[in-house]
Amino acid sequence: DTEVTQTPKHLVMGMTNKKSLKCEQHMGHRAMYWYKQKAKKPPELMFVYSYEKLSINESVPSRFSPECPNSSLLNLHLHALQPEDSALYLCASSQAGLIPYEQYFGPGTRLTVT
Amino acid sequence: RKEVEQDPGPFNVPEGATVAFNCTYSNSASQSFFWYRQDCRKEPKLLMSVYSSGNEDGRFTAQLNRASQYISLLIRDSKLSDSATYLCAVNPAGYKLVFGAGTILRVKS
Repeated sequence: DTEVTQTPKHLVMGMTNKKSLKCEQHMGHRAMYWYKQKAKKPPELMFVYSYEKLSINESVPSRFSPECPNSSLLNLHLHALQPEDSALYLCASSQAGLIPYEQYFGPGTRLTVT
Repeated sequence: RKEVEQDPGPFNVPEGATVAFNCTYSNSASQSFFWYRQDCRKEPKLLMSVYSSGNEDGRFTAQLNRASQYISLLIRDSKLSDSATYLCAVNPAGYKLVFGAGTILRVKS
C-alpha cells in the first residue's frame, strides 16, 4: 500500500555493469531522497532533490549519479560499483518547504555487486 | 560524539509491558524530530513526528526535551506486533535527516 514505489526489488550487477534504480511517488511531494542502508546500520542520506533540483549531495562517489526527470520520478544511475556498495537503496519523498519534512520511504532495492 | 545516539538494546519485554526509548542529539539547532519503525528487511515506516508539546497516537507517546536535547518514545501495552527496530531521526537543517542506529524491541508472549 506504499505510495512510493521502487524498481527493481533486487539487483545483482558486476563491477563493470551500468544499471539504474527507479523510484516513483504518487503523493504530490516536491522533495525526493536517496538513502543507502547497510545491514544492521541506519539509513544514510546520499542525495536530496527539491523542486527537481539537486539540493544535497552527501559527498557520494561519482559512480552514483542521480537524476530527477520530473516531480514524481527519481533515478539513481550506477556505474563501476564496488562490492562494498552492496546495500539496500531506499528512496523517500516529502513535502518541500514545509517543516517538519516527514519523509515516506519506498520498499527499497536490494543491490548486490559481484 | 555521534549526531544522533540511541541505546541499541535489545529490549526484551513481555506482552502488555510499557517500554520507553530515548534518543539524544548533538545539534541544538535541530528543527524537527521523528520516530520510525523498521521491520527486518523492510523500509522504515514513519511512526510519528515529535513536537515540543509532546504527542500521542494510541499506545504511543513521543516527547521532546530541547533543553536536554533528547526525544523519547513510550509504548504502552506492548503487543507482539510491536517487535521491530525503532529509529529516531533528527532534521538538523534543511532537508537533511540523520538517523540514530536504532533500538531493537522484542515483545514476547
